[in-house]
This record gives sequence, structure tokens and C-alpha cells, in this order.
Amino acid sequence: AQSVTQPDIHITVSEGASLELRCNYSYGATPYLFWYVQSPGQGLQLLLKYFSGDTLVQGIKGFEAEFKRSQSSFNLRKPSVHWSDAAEYFCAVVRGSSNTGKLIFGQGTTLQVKP
Amino acid sequence: GAVVSQHPSWVICKSGTSVKIECRSLDFQATTMFWYRQFPKQSLMLMATSNEGSKATYEQGVEKDKFLINHASLTLSTLTVTSAHPEDSSFYICSASSRQVPDEQYFGPGTRLTVT
Repeated sequence: AQSVTQPDIHITVSEGASLELRCNYSYGATPYLFWYVQSPGQGLQLLLKYFSGDTLVQGIKGFEAEFKRSQSSFNLRKPSVHWSDAAEYFCAVVRGSSNTGKLIFGQGTTLQVKP
Repeated sequence: GAVVSQHPSWVICKSGTSVKIECRSLDFQATTMFWYRQFPKQSLMLMATSNEGSKATYEQGVEKDKFLINHASLTLSTLTVTSAHPEDSSFYICSASSRQVPDEQYFGPGTRLTVT
């Protein structure tokens, strides 16, 4: 069965430092991959997505992610973290071979930003 | 941008009663809506998918008679938790996608349900 794993439950970085959040998926074919951010009181917001093509994907708020088929990974990166980036981050994959919208989410990574 | 609202944002009900949660797409027509459940500090689990005018499709292990979903219009879907029990206490989140942008889902802010 398809699955998504976010190995890091909690990450703390200093403001201005770089960030990498890990995401690993299990699926034989090319997956539809997403990164979402969840802030208290707000709905999940899409940061970026990968369906095909260029494996380095640019998203909103200065985030990017790289799809690496050989490592079954889709890690999220940001070169310089801002205090407002503190939130819960979820990696997700569409279940199945077509984009049905039925998402399987990872466990989430809580990002804390130190001043 | 596309906005999805949920009402209420939080609700407390007594065991054995039913509670209805509304999910509305405010500025687009939602051809498909999804309902998720999120336990504290855990991931989102898809409960069901609904298309406007059709019966909802429930995920394995989700009791359709307990979690009634109605997608009556292109802007409204409701989730009714019937005969609620404390174990139904959770955070319920809906999302919606449109025919124009079917590849993206827009999420509501969620509804916190506490059953006492």
C-alpha cells in the first residue's frame, strides 16, 4: 500500500538558518506529491506540488522541494527561515495512479523557529 | 484565492446526540469535497469523498451510517456525526476542489468536536 513517512516529528531551527524537512513515499510509479502547511486556526495551505517534469519545484513563501525517484523522497527546503514559518508541515501523496484527490498524509513535522 | 469555510469551528455535544458540520466553498463551485479526520498531533485521515449530487464514497473502516455526508449543492457539504460517542471526538477537516482546478484542494480551517 502507498504510504508517506516524515521521519522528523519536531524540528527546531534558528531564524535565518536553512531548513530541510524530509518526506519519503512508497509507490512504484511516479506519484503526485504535495507539501502543505497548517497553522492554528487556518486551513492547510498548499506550498507546492509535483506531478511530473522538472524535479526541482518552486513553491510559495520561498519554499522549494526536490523529487528524487532513486531515494523515493520529496524533501522540502528553505534557504532562510522566518519566525512566521513556525507551523505544522505535511507531505502528502495522491492515492493511486491518477489524481483522484484522495490524499495520504505523512505524520507531519512541527517546525519551531528560535529567535 | 479559493476559500473554504467550516461551521462551527468548535462544538461540544453530549454522548448519544448528533452534530452537523458544514463545509462551504465561498468563491468557487466545489465539484468534489473531501472529509478528513485528524487526531491530536497526528496526521489527517481521509474519511470520505463526495461529488455534488452523488452519494459519498467512504474509506475502508469508516462507518457510513455514523458519519453521514451530504453534498447537496456545488458550494455545500455537510458531515453529520450520529449518536456521537467520546471516541468520535476529533478535529474534522473538509477540502474542496473545482472543475476548473481539479488538481488542487482547498482546505477548510477545521471543526473541533468534543463529545462528553
